[in-house]
Amino acid sequence: QQPVQSPQAVILREGEDAVINCSSSKALYSVHWYRQKHGEAPVFLMILLKGGEQKGHEKISASFNEKKQQSSLYLTASQLSYSGTYFCGTEQSDSWGKFQFGAGTQVVVTP
Amino acid sequence: DADVTQTPRNRITKTGKRIMLECSQTKGHDRMYWYRQDPGLGLRLIYYSFDVKDINKGEISDGYSVSRQAQAKFSLSLESAIPNQTALYFCATSKTGVGQPQHFGDGTRLSIL
Repeated sequence: QQPVQSPQAVILREGEDAVINCSSSKALYSVHWYRQKHGEAPVFLMILLKGGEQKGHEKISASFNEKKQQSSLYLTASQLSYSGTYFCGTEQSDSWGKFQFGAGTQVVVTP
Repeated sequence: DADVTQTPRNRITKTGKRIMLECSQTKGHDRMYWYRQDPGLGLRLIYYSFDVKDINKGEISDGYSVSRQAQAKFSLSLESAIPNQTALYFCATSKTGVGQPQHFGDGTRLSIL
């Protein structure tokens, strides 16, 4: 079962913040975040392993709430280059190496 | 530079034809994956392979088959293509172990008429 991402889309002005959520009904071992520009392949941003850790990539950070099986991606002080579709990919605790991706969140950053 | 290469990049074919999409990698990764991407549905896993002798079905394997010819090569076949298999297909690789990122090829855009 695919993880559920929200919102489906968000429009930001440069400098604004946004949060993208990813929820699963299954126990997760890891959550991956990727960004895909139009017409390109998805590009890895970061991985969070169970344990509730938080990571960052430039001004993009993420958290993983193991109890809720939910991860959030935080876009801080957004830049034009942040535009694209963000996907979470989840790895369940009982099936390592098998990934399921959410439907994606389209982010548009305007000047 | 180490890479994940998919061929062909674009393919248009007719219903009922057999099609093979190929993926090769120079990253030295053991794990390889095939996904399809449809608008609004994200990436869905078709098949994955942890090594040459370990191949597993993903969530949407019906109508597809795969072959892992070598550590570096993983092919996806559509035995008898149908229009609803029209999609963007991605191959990905990763190292063995938990928490390893996936590295994607540039994709194959497949249209079945």
